[in-house]
This record gives sequence, structure tokens and C-alpha cells, in this order.
Amino acid sequence: EILLTQSPGTLSLSPGERATLSCRASQSVSSNYLAWYQQKPGQAPSLLIYGASNRATGIPDRFSGSGSGTDFTLTVSRLEPEDSAVYYCHQYGTSPLTFGPGTKVDIK
Amino acid sequence: EVQLVESGGGLVQPGGSLRLSCAASGFTLSSYLMRWVRQAPGKGLEWVSSIVGGGASTYYADSVKGRFTISRDISMNTLYLQMNSLRAEDTAIYYCAKSLSETGHSPADYWGQGTLVTVSS
Repeated sequence: EILLTQSPGTLSLSPGERATLSCRASQSVSSNYLAWYQQKPGQAPSLLIYGASNRATGIPDRFSGSGSGTDFTLTVSRLEPEDSAVYYCHQYGTSPLTFGPGTKVDIK
Repeated sequence: EVQLVESGGGLVQPGGSLRLSCAASGFTLSSYLMRWVRQAPGKGLEWVSSIVGGGASTYYADSVKGRFTISRDISMNTLYLQMNSLRAEDTAIYYCAKSLSETGHSPADYWGQGTLVTVSS
């Protein structure tokens, strides 16, 4: 099983600042099958990034993903108040599919 | 417009059974891999089960293998999760989710609103 570790656990930033979220895998993620999801309280997760760097439909370009192998990053270039959420990385290349524990982003 | 609506959750005693349903609209189940993902209260996401678009292949997390069964009714465009021998640790919100493609190696792009399953005496 591929274990995903996310850091930091919580990020507290102001609107307009840049957020950098890290996801590290215990072994190489097959073909960079790595996605990022945003989950707001009381809502289902929403797909942001897939294939490590491809934005999902309708996702603004201030969200970007990068990385390969075992180290991946989600960057939010200019935080907006509505970006307050928990962000999960997810590998879907190897069974069992696994999710990271999440990074909570608080907007001050 | 793609929509997924789960139902069937509720309170059940340990050892009991429940069947969750996920009514899909805006697309055809047979064209996409479908998944169930759960989230225990205040916790993270856990993949539970998948079924490929053709329906020939199903996959399960070790934690539910032998107890849960994923299936679908193409005529009703509905996905199911039959859950038997339920345990307290199965307590969670259960989401159904549509993947980007018919087979594996694609993430879920649409999720339902979830249905809460509580296993308690």
C-alpha cells in the first residue's frame, strides 16, 4: 500500500498570499497518477488537479500541481477567502487507492 | 449535468446489513468506472470499492473485502453497495463518485453529497 504524507498539517495565511502544500509518497506513484482534492465543511471533495499537474475542468489557474515520483506539490498562487478548506492528495495508480491525511488551509 | 444522489444510510446494529444506492444522471454508468469512498466523522477519505464501466471487474479495500459488494443496475443507472456484517469502524459518510474514464487510473471527478452510515448498538 502506498502511504501518502502531507505537510504541513495546517496552514494559516492571508488573502493574496501563496500557499504551498506538500504530498510525499512511500513509493513511486505509478505514471504520476496523483490528484488533489479540496473539501469544504459539509461538502463532498472537489477535484482540483489530476495527473500531478492537470487542472480539472473549471479550476482557476491560480491552482497548480507539480512533482513526480514520490514528491508532489499543490500551489495556490493568490489565496482567496473561499480557498479555506482541507486539501487531500490521492494516488489512483496502484491498488489500494490511498489518500493523504489532508492539509487544512485557514484564511486569516 | 452530472448528478449523483446517494441514499440508504442510517443507523444499524453491529453485525447488521445495509444497501446503499447512488442514482446517477447526466451520464451512463456503463461508460465510467465508479467508486465508493467513505469518510469517518472528522477523519480523512478512505477508498472502499470500485467497479469498471463494463461491470466485469470489481475491487475492494481489504477492510471491507468479503463483507461489502459493489454492483450496478444499468437500466436504472444506479450504483449499489451492499454492506453486510457491519462493524462500528464502518461508521462514516459514504460517497459515490464517478471517474474520468471507463477503467482504472483515473480520478473521481464528480461526487455525490454522501449518505451517513452509523453502526452502533
